[in-house]
Amino acid sequence: AQSVSQHNHHVILSEAASLELGCNYSYGGTVNLFWYVQYPGQHLQLLLKYFSGDPLVKGIKGFEAEFIKSKFSFNLRKPSVQWSDTAEYFCAVNLGSGGYQKVTFGTGTKLQVIP
Amino acid sequence: NAGVTQTPKFRVLKTGQSMTLLCAQDMNHEYMYWYRQDPGMGLRLIHYSVGEGTTAKGEVPDGYNVSRLKKQNFLLGLESAAPSQTSVYFCASRSRGAPSPQHFGDGTRLSIL
Repeated sequence: AQSVSQHNHHVILSEAASLELGCNYSYGGTVNLFWYVQYPGQHLQLLLKYFSGDPLVKGIKGFEAEFIKSKFSFNLRKPSVQWSDTAEYFCAVNLGSGGYQKVTFGTGTKLQVIP
Repeated sequence: NAGVTQTPKFRVLKTGQSMTLLCAQDMNHEYMYWYRQDPGMGLRLIHYSVGEGTTAKGEVPDGYNVSRLKKQNFLLGLESAAPSQTSVYFCASRSRGAPSPQHFGDGTRLSIL
């Protein structure tokens, strides 16, 4: 069964610091990978997604993620965080090739950006 | 505005009571999902539906039932609420061609005493 691990549960950064949030998955076949963001008191929003092709994916608000197949990783990055990036971030995976029904979410990483 | 609407937003129940959470979407999406979100556990899939009249179990279906009588509505029922079901519940939907949930509701915060 597919699973997703986010090892950083809580990250605190100062504004302008660089961000990297780890995400590892456990399925060896074709996967689709996602990062969602949940701002305080709001619902989840899709930040970016990877299906195939260029392993470096750019999303909204200056975020990007790199798919490294050999490491089963899909880490989220941002060169310079802002206070408004304070939120909880979820990595998610589902099986490619038609296995779209079930999306498995990681346990989330809470990011706190200090002004 | 188009999107996913959940009702109610908050509810407090006593152990053993029953209730139904309603999810409505106006985007003509085929797929709908119910998740629960608990601290340190992320989102876990309770049940999902791939179309009107069909439902399927997710990761944590015990204690819940669902129905999809109309394409736009996906109901989540708790027949006999238990304190372990205290959680925030999110509904989500996506179109047939999308590989993951596209639109989430604002959530229902449910407390079972």
